[in-house]
Amino acid sequence: AQTIHQWPVAEIKAVGSPLSLGCTIKGKSSPNLYWYWQATGGTLQQLFYSITVGQVESVVQLNLSASRPKDDQFILSTEKLLLSHSGFYLCAWSRGTQEVFFGKGTRLTVV
Amino acid sequence: QQQVRQSPQSLTVWEGETAILNCSYENSAFDYFPWYQQFPGEGPALLIAIRSVSDKKEDGRFTIFFNKREKKLSLHITDSQPGDSATYFCAASEGGNNKLTFGQGTVLSVIP
Repeated sequence: AQTIHQWPVAEIKAVGSPLSLGCTIKGKSSPNLYWYWQATGGTLQQLFYSITVGQVESVVQLNLSASRPKDDQFILSTEKLLLSHSGFYLCAWSRGTQEVFFGKGTRLTVV
Repeated sequence: QQQVRQSPQSLTVWEGETAILNCSYENSAFDYFPWYQQFPGEGPALLIAIRSVSDKKEDGRFTIFFNKREKKLSLHITDSQPGDSATYFCAASEGGNNKLTFGQGTVLSVIP
């Protein structure tokens, strides 16, 4: 069975500080990987997707970047956090381009 | 321009009733429509999905009705239970495209 693990579970960070969020998928080789962002009480906005190691496509520009250093790992980062980065970050995977499965998310609060 | 719209924003039903959640979309090229269930503080879970070649998909108490001509679909939850209380998101994607577009969600409350 496939498992998706996100870390950390929650973060409180200062404006202007760097950020790194991670995601690991086990039990599925060469998955498509995604990062989503969700404001409190809001909808889900796709940020990035990756179909293979080393290749990441950006969907929206939010002063964030993503990388896929290994087949089963997806990293979301920024060098300088903004207040608007607060929210719920969700990593997801899919087989093909449909049936997307989400992780438990990371709650980020920027103060 | 919002590509996927959901209504109502919130819905309250009594236990045992049928909850009906609506969704409409703009892009005629959308051909895959999943519904997700999300509890507070958790990631969304894939509940049920339909492809545009079908007009109905059933899974236990959950049924999707799809009208391609009107670009509308609905999720029916029969015999609603308090444990069904959650936010439900309708989403859509285009075949071969790695982008899933979500609606704003419907918050469902089931009163015992």
